[in-house]
Amino acid sequence: DTGVSQDPRHKITKRGQNVTFRCDPISEHNRLYWYRQTLGQGPEFLTYFQNEAQLEKSRLLSDRFSAERPKGSFSTLEIQRTEQGDSAMYLCASSAHSGGRTYEQYFGPGTRLTVT
Amino acid sequence: GNSVTQMEGPVTLSEEAFLTINCTYTATGYPSLFWYVQYPGEGLQLLLKATKADDKGSNKGFEATYRKETTSFHLEKGSVQVSDSAVYFCALSDSGTSYGKLTFGQGTILTVHP
Repeated sequence: DTGVSQDPRHKITKRGQNVTFRCDPISEHNRLYWYRQTLGQGPEFLTYFQNEAQLEKSRLLSDRFSAERPKGSFSTLEIQRTEQGDSAMYLCASSAHSGGRTYEQYFGPGTRLTVT
Repeated sequence: GNSVTQMEGPVTLSEEAFLTINCTYTATGYPSLFWYVQYPGEGLQLLLKATKADDKGSNKGFEATYRKETTSFHLEKGSVQVSDSAVYFCALSDSGTSYGKLTFGQGTILTVHP
């Protein structure tokens, strides 16, 4: 069990550019979550997948944000036309879900995005 | 909607002091409650959890009791160590309809001095 991994760990981009982050969950976990954490705040839910299906999206997820999990394994989060307000830590988490029960979420180290 | 409120921080203590970090919540139904910890330079780690009223979660000397009547889940430790210095987040999961997504408080920075 290698845990949840995220790539890259840090990303600096200029305003208006597109960025894409990747998350690799724990292999046997069928649920994958994305959160955003700004400085001095707790993580805020963005979206989650069960297998390849995106089941919920937060109102925080503007139309510039898109997330995919095409084969039910790794996931990508893309931000188009980045703005300075997008600067944050983007966290990925995964969990198992079976028999109507969702188990603990395990978090990755995060990708820190800085938009200049 | 769901929300979690943590005590204003940061908290600074001397080693072996008693720790309390207050957490209250607002939720529909019967949420599960969690404390997560974030050590410097590391990712969020689950510290403890409680899934129903009057449950006590415990781990590494930390404890928290799910109090439905006061909608609280305060974190306590009898004797803190320097290694407990971290950011602590209270969170809830309204698993009835939201399939496990977490709602977090704003976090409390704990610094323990020798």
